[in-house]
Amino acid sequence: DQQVKQNSPSLSVQEGRISILNCDYTNSMFDYFLWYKKYPAEGPTFLISISSIKDKNEDGRFTVFLNKSAKHLSLHIVPSQPGDSAVYFCAASAKWRDGNKLVFGAGTILRVKS
Amino acid sequence: SQTIHQWPATLVQPVGSPLSLECTVEGTSNPNLYWYRQAAGRGLQLLFYSVGIGQISSEVPQNLSASRPQDRQFILSSKKLLLSDSGFYLCAWTGYANTEAFFGQGTRLTVV
Repeated sequence: DQQVKQNSPSLSVQEGRISILNCDYTNSMFDYFLWYKKYPAEGPTFLISISSIKDKNEDGRFTVFLNKSAKHLSLHIVPSQPGDSAVYFCAASAKWRDGNKLVFGAGTILRVKS
Repeated sequence: SQTIHQWPATLVQPVGSPLSLECTVEGTSNPNLYWYRQAAGRGLQLLFYSVGIGQISSEVPQNLSASRPQDRQFILSSKKLLLSDSGFYLCAWTGYANTEAFFGQGTRLTVV
């Protein structure tokens, strides 16, 4: 079953505007959420994270919002830049039966047009 | 500082041949280790994770297996590769709190 969902496979945004990437999760056991950025043929790189005890975390142009009641989080990039074009993965972490587990969504391709 | 090494970067193997991908982590102890696969046009699928030596959890039934012979070594294997095993394989590690995962550069596996 897909416990972390990114329902938009792609998003196209004009340079300078806001990019909003969405993520939904189904398991209330997840207690930490992360966003990763990935270029082709490279490993993902960490962007920003948020604990389940918070509803917002900001780091420069990147802000992550968490709505626990809706089991929804989003990543806002303001202003968007052409270099932000990449695949963005949402990930969720939880204590599992025999350790910790980190589950990723399917990813959203962001294209920032100049 | 912590680093993660994954090799080889690319691999072309015939159907039915064995596979061994290796991942090692430096600069940390007792990491949680993960193997992910990204099939063409798809997201990151968790294949295996390990919280300690000899402890392997499998997420999906498949033609692959994993082993952790040492604390900072994680190996992905197959006895006989299938065409469907083609993809981009990523190794990752996290600390106990799972606050951030660090990825290797990945291995592009093409089964022909």
